[in-house]
Amino acid sequence: QKEVEQNSGPLSVPEGAIASLNCTYSDRGSQSFFWYRQYSGKSPELIMFIYSNGDKEDGRFTAQLNKASQYVSLLIRDSQPSDSATYLCAVYSGAGSYQLTFGKGTKLSVIP
Amino acid sequence: DAEITQSPRHKITETGRQVTLACHQTWNHNNMFWYRQDLGHGLRLIHYSYGVHDTNKGEVSDGYSVSRSNTEDLPLTLESAASSQTSVYFCASSESPDTQYFGPGTRLTVL
Repeated sequence: QKEVEQNSGPLSVPEGAIASLNCTYSDRGSQSFFWYRQYSGKSPELIMFIYSNGDKEDGRFTAQLNKASQYVSLLIRDSQPSDSATYLCAVYSGAGSYQLTFGKGTKLSVIP
Repeated sequence: DAEITQSPRHKITETGRQVTLACHQTWNHNNMFWYRQDLGHGLRLIHYSYGVHDTNKGEVSDGYSVSRSNTEDLPLTLESAASSQTSVYFCASSESPDTQYFGPGTRLTVL
């Protein structure tokens, strides 16, 4: 059973701070890793993906991957109240399957 | 612009009724997926399809069925709705093996 674990939160950070969201996964053969943002009552929206060990930056967002530790994180710099949402970690294991395994999500609240 | 749509957006039905939720995408993606999302469980895969006439069961497929007669549509049918199927349902599509894009969702209530 492939598992993706996230701290459910809520994670509260003050506006302007760095928010750090973490995710661990059980399948060591996993190939691709995704972060989705989901506002309350809305559908998940893809914001970052990472395939290789290390960091990947896109604007205020940085995804970090450590395959040896089976750990992926999302950093949000200069957090804004509009970043308040639930962040879903998803993992693609490859091996001919197009399925993603999702974590249950971490709720982030950015306090003005 | 290409998009993925779901209908209806909200549905209330009674136990035992057959219900069909529609999903339509205009990206011409081969891969389509149905998920349900419940508090405490996150997104769980119901069924998926890799192309026309292809369907596969996901993690929570009991009580659901899909059919794929064209590239654009993957309707989800609840054969005999149960209260445990009250949930928010999301359809997604993708062309690459991993990157999925989600529709707006359907909130289904079974009374």
